[in-house]
Amino acid sequence: EPEVTQTPSHQVTQMGQEVILRCVPISNHLYFYWYRQILGQKVEFLVSFYNNEISEKSEIFDDQFSVERPDGSNFTLKIRSTKLEDSAMYFCASQAAGNTIYFGEGSWLTVV
Amino acid sequence: AQTVTQSQPEMSVQEAETVTLSCTYDTSESNYYLFWYKQPPSRQMILVIRQEAYKQQNATENRFSVNFQKAAKSFSLKISDSQLGDTAMYFCAPRVHNTGTASKLTFGTGTRLQVTL
Repeated sequence: EPEVTQTPSHQVTQMGQEVILRCVPISNHLYFYWYRQILGQKVEFLVSFYNNEISEKSEIFDDQFSVERPDGSNFTLKIRSTKLEDSAMYFCASQAAGNTIYFGEGSWLTVV
Repeated sequence: AQTVTQSQPEMSVQEAETVTLSCTYDTSESNYYLFWYKQPPSRQMILVIRQEAYKQQNATENRFSVNFQKAAKSFSLKISDSQLGDTAMYFCAPRVHNTGTASKLTFGTGTRLQVTL
């Protein structure tokens, strides 16, 4: 069964460093999402992406964040200068023309 | 904007018993979908079941079924014959139906379900 894959599964980075989280959505999916989940808290929407542009972004998704789909397969989330409060599980998700959104296994980011 | 309320932070059920997790939501949209996702200790987000708001018939997926009350904006999940592997956090998440654009899920705070022997 096709699945969304994310790398790395876990990354530890120093405060102020740039981080890129990578995702390979399910082939032929059209819509892409990033969510995050701080430990013990609910899942929060960050950004959605369709037709090579951002469809919607939340208040969390400030200038420190960016997304890109550089080669038609990967979908990346970049955090330019990480803060301690960016420590969280980051989920990539994708969706076909139907209505079910499928999630990857997540990338656990620890900022120290 | 959509809001989602899951009023049961934690629940416990014995193996083979039935448990119902509640969810209420608020939306001004008329065309939307509702989902239950499960997050086991591995933290992966797994789809459990989905319901189209325009359908009156409640969705069923093996041991999982929903009780969808559109007027009351209620969407509860029933798990029958509970198994140890059902131990997880369960999230209710509505999603507006949009054509030609991405449309996000809005998650509730979750219900932590523990299945015991």
